[in-house]
Amino acid sequence: AQTVTQSQPEMSVQEAETVTLSCTYDTSESDYYLFWYKQPPSRQMILVIRQEAYKQQNATENRFSVNFQKAAKSFSLKISDSQLGDAAMYFCAYRPYTGTASKLTFGTGTRLQVTL
Amino acid sequence: KAGVTQTPRYLIKTRGQQVTLSCSPISGHRSVSWYQQTPGQGLQFLFEYFSETQRNKGNFPGRFSGRQFSNSRSEMNVSTLELGDSALYLCASSGLAGENEQFFGPGTRLTVL
Repeated sequence: AQTVTQSQPEMSVQEAETVTLSCTYDTSESDYYLFWYKQPPSRQMILVIRQEAYKQQNATENRFSVNFQKAAKSFSLKISDSQLGDAAMYFCAYRPYTGTASKLTFGTGTRLQVTL
Repeated sequence: KAGVTQTPRYLIKTRGQQVTLSCSPISGHRSVSWYQQTPGQGLQFLFEYFSETQRNKGNFPGRFSGRQFSNSRSEMNVSTLELGDSALYLCASSGLAGENEQFFGPGTRLTVL
């Protein structure tokens, strides 16, 4: 069974600074998707960024980028120029590549605080 | 395009009762997945429906069931509620089979007293 581990329950960053959230996963599959989701206090889960395992290039979305290390099964999220609106729970998630399965396996989350 | 909607947003029930939650996916989406979120267990997959068929099921007791209608709207039912069923229930929709992005609704907060 696949597992996703987020070892940082809480992180804090100052506004405009950079922070990196860690995620490791375990799978025997060679093809899969990885995601970072953001859940603000409103509880609405929002997709931040996704990575296809077969792509060597790290995904980037504006201030958000990932460091995907397939051999190490590591998938960290870097937030640059942090803003107050980035404060939220961040979940790392794994999804198998099989075409008919949409099941996401989530990590336990990292609560990010952004301070002035 | 309207997002995923879930009704009701909040619900209070007592032990032993049953409850039905509803999810309307994004127009054109045919896959609907349900997740339970609790402080203790985190986010756990309940089941997925695609074209009115259950395609995937998580490790939950039979008290948890669901269905999907021809318009892709989905309902989730929990019978004989227990205190531990108190949770945020999230619904997510995605498009064609194999599409990799799921869009989440705002959730239904269920409290069991």
